[in-house]
Amino acid sequence: KQEVTQIPAALSVPEGENLVLNCSFTDSAIYNLQWFRQDPGKGLTSLLLIQSSQREQTSGRLNASLDKSSGRSTLYIAASQPGDSATYLCAVRLNYGQNFVFGPGTRLSVLP
Amino acid sequence: EPEVTQTPSHQVTQMGQEVILRCVPISNHLYFYWYRQILGQKVEFLVSFYNNEISEKSEIFDDQFSVERPDGSNFTLKIRSTKLEDSAMYFCASSDSGEAYNGYEQYFGPGTRLTVT
Repeated sequence: KQEVTQIPAALSVPEGENLVLNCSFTDSAIYNLQWFRQDPGKGLTSLLLIQSSQREQTSGRLNASLDKSSGRSTLYIAASQPGDSATYLCAVRLNYGQNFVFGPGTRLSVLP
Repeated sequence: EPEVTQTPSHQVTQMGQEVILRCVPISNHLYFYWYRQILGQKVEFLVSFYNNEISEKSEIFDDQFSVERPDGSNFTLKIRSTKLEDSAMYFCASSDSGEAYNGYEQYFGPGTRLTVT
């Protein structure tokens, strides 16, 4: 059964710092991996999708990498801003299924 | 930009009552999903739907739950007899055919907060 973990559970940084969020998964037979942002009490906003054949994806200040063989993905946020404060969720989709398995999230606070 | 919409945003119901949560997926998407998130917990998969039938479901999706695509635009989740533990945020999602470079990217709606009293 696929398990997804995220480290750290919570992170507080001053504005302007670069930071890395980590996601690990136990079954490397994934189809793709998606990073989401969730604001308190709100829905999920898709940030980046990485297919299993890709190593990384970039969007603006965000860069996500994927190392399928080691079961890891990282989300790099450059020059963090207070508006980046949210919970960041990692989700993996297995080759043989359609649903995502979500991690517990990393709660990020960027202090002005 | 196309988006997934859900109604209502908040539903309060009494234990034992039936509820129907509604979703309008993105119009050219073919795969539809329901997830739920109990307060403070992980997002959990409930069911996926393709070609007018359930393609996958989790152990959470028992006989109390059903899904339907009653017309060309709506996708509904029905809970027949709600329990206290059904209180959660329910998210609908949709994805495309998987042929594009961003195939199967799931787009989520804003959620319906279900409170069972």
